[in-house]
Amino acid sequence: DIVMTQSPDSLAVSLGERATISCRSSQSVLYSSNNKNYLAWYQQKPGQPPKLLIYWASTRESGVPDRFSGSGSGTDFTLTISSLQAEDVAVYYCQQYYTTRPLTFGGGTKVEIK
Amino acid sequence: DVQLVESGGGLVQPGGSLRLSCSASGFTVSSNYMSWVRQAPGKGLEWVSIIYGADNTYYANSVKGRFTISRDNSKNTVYLQMNSLRVEDTALYYCARPMTTTAVDAFDIWGQGTMVTVSS
Repeated sequence: DIVMTQSPDSLAVSLGERATISCRSSQSVLYSSNNKNYLAWYQQKPGQPPKLLIYWASTRESGVPDRFSGSGSGTDFTLTISSLQAEDVAVYYCQQYYTTRPLTFGGGTKVEIK
Repeated sequence: DVQLVESGGGLVQPGGSLRLSCSASGFTVSSNYMSWVRQAPGKGLEWVSIIYGADNTYYANSVKGRFTISRDNSKNTVYLQMNSLRVEDTALYYCARPMTTTAVDAFDIWGQGTMVTVSS
């Protein structure tokens, strides 16, 4: 199984400041034939299903504010919220879809306002 | 509008069975990869199962041999038959669809979930 490890488990950031979440996979999720990283980021607010933010490690989903960005390749990835807004308080998950045997999610990172 | 609506959750005793349904609208389940993802209370997301193509199916190790994913194209619905349920299967079960129809991909469409509680 590809194990996805997120850090930190939680972080508190002041409004307008940068939030950075790390995700590491136990093996590369970069598919060499198309040079794509099979890595997605989701945002989940209380009582709601997850919402896709980023796919292919760095492609922003339609409608997602540009303060959200994804970066990284291979086994190390980062989700950055450039200027934290109150509505960004949520739990964020990374997920690899490089293999379905099995698909795996990170443990989640809770983002709060300091 | 593309939408997924889950149903069938409830309270069941350990060892019991339950069948979850995921009704799709705005697209056809037969031409898509369809998946189930669960979330135990206060915990993270756990992928459960996927179905695609000519009924190719895969399962998480934690449910293999106990859960079966299937679909009824005439009803545009995906099912999750859950047998030999355990306390640790207690979770909110989401149905999810990947972005593209031809490969496993990031999940851009999620239902609201249906709660399964396994308890005596």
